[in-house]
This record gives sequence, structure tokens and C-alpha cells, in this order.
Amino acid sequence: EAQVTQNPRYLITVTGKKLTVTCSQNMNHEYMSWYRQDPGLGLRQIYYSMNVEVTDKGDVPEGYKVSRKEKRNFPLILESPSPNQTSLYFCASSYRGAVETQYFGPGTRLLVL
Amino acid sequence: AQSVTQLGSHVSVSEGALVLLRCNYSSSVPPYLFWYVQYPNQGLQLLLKYTTGATLVKGINGFEAEFKKSETSFHLTKPSAHMSDAAEYFCAVKINTNAGKSTFGDGTTLTVKP
Repeated sequence: EAQVTQNPRYLITVTGKKLTVTCSQNMNHEYMSWYRQDPGLGLRQIYYSMNVEVTDKGDVPEGYKVSRKEKRNFPLILESPSPNQTSLYFCASSYRGAVETQYFGPGTRLLVL
Repeated sequence: AQSVTQLGSHVSVSEGALVLLRCNYSSSVPPYLFWYVQYPNQGLQLLLKYTTGATLVKGINGFEAEFKKSETSFHLTKPSAHMSDAAEYFCAVKINTNAGKSTFGDGTTLTVKP
């Protein structure tokens, strides 16, 4: 089954404790993105990747890191999480090109205490 | 640069009534426009998209949208609402000159009353 998977789905952590949210797709997509969703703010793009080893900042990259060492994986790293990073996070992937549809993962709900 | 504005964060309609969700965009180059739907506790899925060609685009579940360049709009409509249409709807824009970047609107929550 074609899908985007994220782990973990739910995470409670404390301020400053490094964490990684994994994202994997099995559709051989070149493009991958991370978004955060907050009430009233819609989806905001954190980082995106257009190929292996090619990443770029989205609209809200502060406090996040990403890497794209393999085509299928695009982990999101929070080196020192803070309470303002409490949010719902989505990973998405697509084929190359602006016309292509993005396929979204199920989301990761993060609470930083 | 690109941006999206969705007018109305909440829209409520009666079952069987017309659904109209508004989206206006700003783009320095020809845009590609998308509507996604998010059902409770799920990720987003594509409803429909406009790339080039016919400006009236039909999507899944009876939804359609019309690209109007002169009005910079891409409003989503459905002639007759169903209870199962209750969800959050997002308009999004992408452009060729930065194909990885995607800009979403703030979302519109659709409530369908019996």
C-alpha cells in the first residue's frame, strides 16, 4: 500500500530534550516536506527537500533540523524543544514538480512541557 | 512570493444546501492551486487541483472549483452538502519557480447541520 508513515504518532517530552520524528514514504517520491498545524494558523511549511541531500527552509524553520540521506526518509529533529513547538506535525511527499499532489502522513502530536 | 487567503474560518450549512468555501491567492507567476480536505484525526488528502487548461476543475465527492485569474480566486463549491462533508478544508498554492515550496491557507471548518 502506498503511504507516508510517521513515528511516533504521539509524544510528550520536556523542554530541552532532543527528539526525532521519523517520516518514511514508499512511493519513490523525490519531494518531501514537514509542516506544523496550529489552530487558526493552517499548515505552515517547516522544511522541504527536493532530492537526497537537497533541503531548504520553509516559512517556520527556527528550532528544527532535517536531513535527507535516503530518498524514502526525511526525519525532523528538534535539538532543544520548547513549549512553543507543541503542535501537530505532518510529513508529506510528492513526485517532482509543482503540479504534483502531496501525500500526507497521519500526523504526530507533540506536547513539550 | 505566494500567499493564500481563505475567507471564513468557519462555514455552516444545512444538509442539501450549497457549499461555498472561498480562496484567494497571490502569486508573481502562474500558480498551481489545490484544495485539500482533512477529516477529524486524519492527515490531508487531495480534493482537486488546477494546473493549466480548463478553469473549472472537478474533484472527488462532488466538489468542484473554478480558477478565476482576474479575481485571483479559486473557490470550492458543492451543490448539495452531505453530513459526511463535515471537515476542515485547506487551499494551497505552489509555483514552478520554487516547486518544493507550498503555501497553505488558514483553513475553513465546514459544519453540516441535519
